[in-house]
Amino acid sequence: QLQLQESGPGLVKPSETLSLTCTVSGGSISSSSYYWGWIRQPPGKGLEWIGSIYYSGSTYYNPSLKSRVTISVDTSKNQFSLKLSSVTAADTAVYYCARREAAAGSWFDPWGQGTLVTVSS
Amino acid sequence: SYVLTQPPSVSVAPGKTARITCGGNNIGSKSVHWYQQKPGQAPVLVIYYDSDRPSGIPERFSGSNSGNTATLTISRVEAGDEADYYCQVWDSSSDLHVVFGGGTKLTVL
Repeated sequence: QLQLQESGPGLVKPSETLSLTCTVSGGSISSSSYYWGWIRQPPGKGLEWIGSIYYSGSTYYNPSLKSRVTISVDTSKNQFSLKLSSVTAADTAVYYCARREAAAGSWFDPWGQGTLVTVSS
Repeated sequence: SYVLTQPPSVSVAPGKTARITCGGNNIGSKSVHWYQQKPGQAPVLVIYYDSDRPSGIPERFSGSNSGNTATLTISRVEAGDEADYYCQVWDSSSDLHVVFGGGTKLTVL
């Protein structure tokens, strides 16, 4: 059973960089069948896709966040990571990692449990 | 970029049928996926490729997609179905590849 687990600081100061890691267990992040993604959800609001990465390192990002986002993969640790720079209070959200089928037009499944990141001084 | 429109809320009595819509320009030409999110929990996939159910999802959950509207139908609604539901598509025509609807709160009366 594939599982994903987010980890990282729960509190980040404004203007600093948010850093999260997603650890994949029960399967290989190097599978050619999947992409790996980050999605966030501000408190009381809907879902927003942040970006996705393939095991080869190929990435694509939400254009609205692209200038501040970096997603990377470490196949040796079966992990992928998110960095979001110059954060503000608007970046306060629950951050989820999830697996996406590599097929065109596909879905996210499963998801990690999510981790709340608060941006505050 | 592509926009998906969902009603903010839908209410239904137990045992009845709930229909949650997801509107988008020619959405029938895209693959639509649906997620259920209960309070404090991560989203769970309930329908993929318009109408397919992942293993473990009850047959009461079904989906359809045509024209400008996709629909998630929940038959014989139970109290445990009360949750937020989100539709999602892949938009190959823009750089915003993944688009989510705004979500619908399903209330079981």
